[in-house]
Amino acid sequence: NAGVTQTPKFQVLKTGQSMTLQCAQDMNHNSMYWYRQDPGMGLRLIYYSASEGTTDKGEVPNGYNVSRLNKREFSLRLESAAPSQTSVYFCASSESFGGQNTEAFFGQGTRLTVV
Amino acid sequence: GIQVEQSPPDLILQEGANSTLRCNFSDSVNNLQWFHQNPWGQLINLFYIPSGTKQNGRLSATTVATERYSLLYISSSQTTDSGVYFCAVVNFNKFYFGSGTKLNVKP
Repeated sequence: NAGVTQTPKFQVLKTGQSMTLQCAQDMNHNSMYWYRQDPGMGLRLIYYSASEGTTDKGEVPNGYNVSRLNKREFSLRLESAAPSQTSVYFCASSESFGGQNTEAFFGQGTRLTVV
Repeated sequence: GIQVEQSPPDLILQEGANSTLRCNFSDSVNNLQWFHQNPWGQLINLFYIPSGTKQNGRLSATTVATERYSLLYISSSQTTDSGVYFCAVVNFNKFYFGSGTKLNVKP
């Protein structure tokens, strides 16, 4: 039982390059999330998907796009990377029903450096 | 969004000591979780506790939803308890995190 799997684990990009972070969960959860964590700070929500086919902006969506490919997979795309996007990115999933959420589970993170 | 405040921001303990970490939140929530982020950056689920009290070994947590706070108790601390402890609350399907309490347990 893998839980939440993120790829890649590490990435270095040059300013202006694009890339997609992949996330997959095997718990059949409805809701999936992308967060970023900057040094010494808590996690901030970038985008989330309450259910397959829906996506919504979180606290810090600028510079990112997402795709909920199916119930299992939720990808995060940086179209033109900037040094300010250097961070650790976490994907998470939880079950949701009637506006309630159960326990969230997180992937191991992707450490992204933009030079 | 909801404001989540954790205290203290930093805590240094001698091995064997007890501690209490606090999480205050600004609005009604339908879920609250405590996480431990270990020195390798991995987020480990400690408690899913929207209300009431739970215990797991040396750790326990209490959430008083009506008063908008939660407490995490660590007893007989060990060096492996070091890391950052985060509280996260859920409102309208979004998880909001506090800034964490950084714990350093010295041998």
